Amino acid sequence: QQPVQSPQAVILREGEDAVINCSSSKALYSVHWYRQKHGEAPIFLMILLKGGEQKGHDKISASFNEKKQQSSLYLTASQLSYSGTYFCGTGQFTSGNTPLVFGKGTRLSVIA
Amino acid sequence: KAGVTQTPRYLIKTRGQQVTLSCSPISGHRSVSWYQQTPGQGLQFLFEYFSETQRNKGNFPGRFSGRQFSNSRSEMNVSTLELGDSALYLCASRDGGTGELFFGEGSRLTVL
Repeated sequence: QQPVQSPQAVILREGEDAVINCSSSKALYSVHWYRQKHGEAPIFLMILLKGGEQKGHDKISASFNEKKQQSSLYLTASQLSYSGTYFCGTGQFTSGNTPLVFGKGTRLSVIA
Repeated sequence: KAGVTQTPRYLIKTRGQQVTLSCSPISGHRSVSWYQQTPGQGLQFLFEYFSETQRNKGNFPGRFSGRQFSNSRSEMNVSTLELGDSALYLCASRDGGTGELFFGEGSRLTVL
């Protein structure tokens, strides 16, 4: 079942923060986050595993609430380069055997 | 290391025809997944192949099929094309250690 992402779209000014949420109706083992710029392939941002720690690098981090089957992506002090569509992909079983089911995406636009 | 390569990048077909798309994964990756991307629907999972065997299948009609060869290259075929099959078809190979998906740039199919 496709995870639900919110919001569908968001516009930010440079330097502002944003949170993108991803929720599933099924128990999850893993959550992946990808960013896709227009006309390009999706690029991996990070993966969160059940029982694992919150991940992050630079000003982009994410959390995974296993009990609520939810994940959130945090973008702080946004830059123009953050613009794109963000997808969460969820896996139900161990990462080697589960297909990733992606949400419909959140379109993020950062303006000067 | 070369990335995921998909061919052809663009193609136009008419209703009723069939099409074959090709994907060469990153060297050493044994898992290849296919996704259909359409505006507003995000990435819809088609199927996943691992070591020449279909390991997972999404909710698509039997007109969509695929296969994987011994060198991990994969093809997907769509028969009896319909207008609604117009989409960007993305192939992704998976790093067996980290679970990260590496996407190709896609094959954009237009059905007239």
